[in-house]
Amino acid sequence: GENVEQHPSTLSVQEGDSAVIKCTYSDSASNYFPWYKQELGKRPQLIIDIRSNVGEKKDQRIAVTLNKTAKHFSLHITETQPEDSAVYFCAAPPKFNAGGTSYGKLTFGQGTILTVHP
Amino acid sequence: SQTIHQWPATLVQPVGSPLSLECTVEGTSNPNLYWYRQAAGRGLQLLFYSVGIGQISSEVPQNLSASRPQDRQFILSSKKLLLSDSGFYLCAWRGTELTEAFFGQGTRLTVV
Repeated sequence: GENVEQHPSTLSVQEGDSAVIKCTYSDSASNYFPWYKQELGKRPQLIIDIRSNVGEKKDQRIAVTLNKTAKHFSLHITETQPEDSAVYFCAAPPKFNAGGTSYGKLTFGQGTILTVHP
Repeated sequence: SQTIHQWPATLVQPVGSPLSLECTVEGTSNPNLYWYRQAAGRGLQLLFYSVGIGQISSEVPQNLSASRPQDRQFILSSKKLLLSDSGFYLCAWRGTELTEAFFGQGTRLTVV
């Protein structure tokens, strides 16, 4: 996406290991940071999101951390399982006032193909 | 509850033929609507988005167009398909709070 860079593009881990995917954004006014998971041939679905008023959010084995000063946020998956294998996308929608240029625009990071080997 | 319908699921079309993909949302009003294209193993390319009836923002110059004839209907069209138009097309919507996006099932288009 034009306002968010995502790394790495591919990530291969052994089952049980942790996986970390990082996104860097450019608009300091962005205040909402979602992560989506897309399984092969399926639609992307939201797995976790964070707002700019908190630094970390956890949901079982997944967590997202946000560093507003450095303008980056990361997805952390612990105790990875084969079913975690998928493509993961981040987004950092710019915050615009209604009626402003690009209001409502939503672009995504380039995606990370995560493969968890049994 | 809100639902999004996108059809067809798969489509094979010859080069030069027209295209019409339809997406409808139920259970919400004034949704923000999106069309994305995804090439095999690649990212989500934003094609068009709409924040209201008749308001269409185009992101990528191409032979595709979009229309929003009703509040909860978003249509992706082409007059003449190219081989390079092949891909996985996804429709999505977000509410007025502009948080979570909900995607349709996708249409796998193969231009032959």
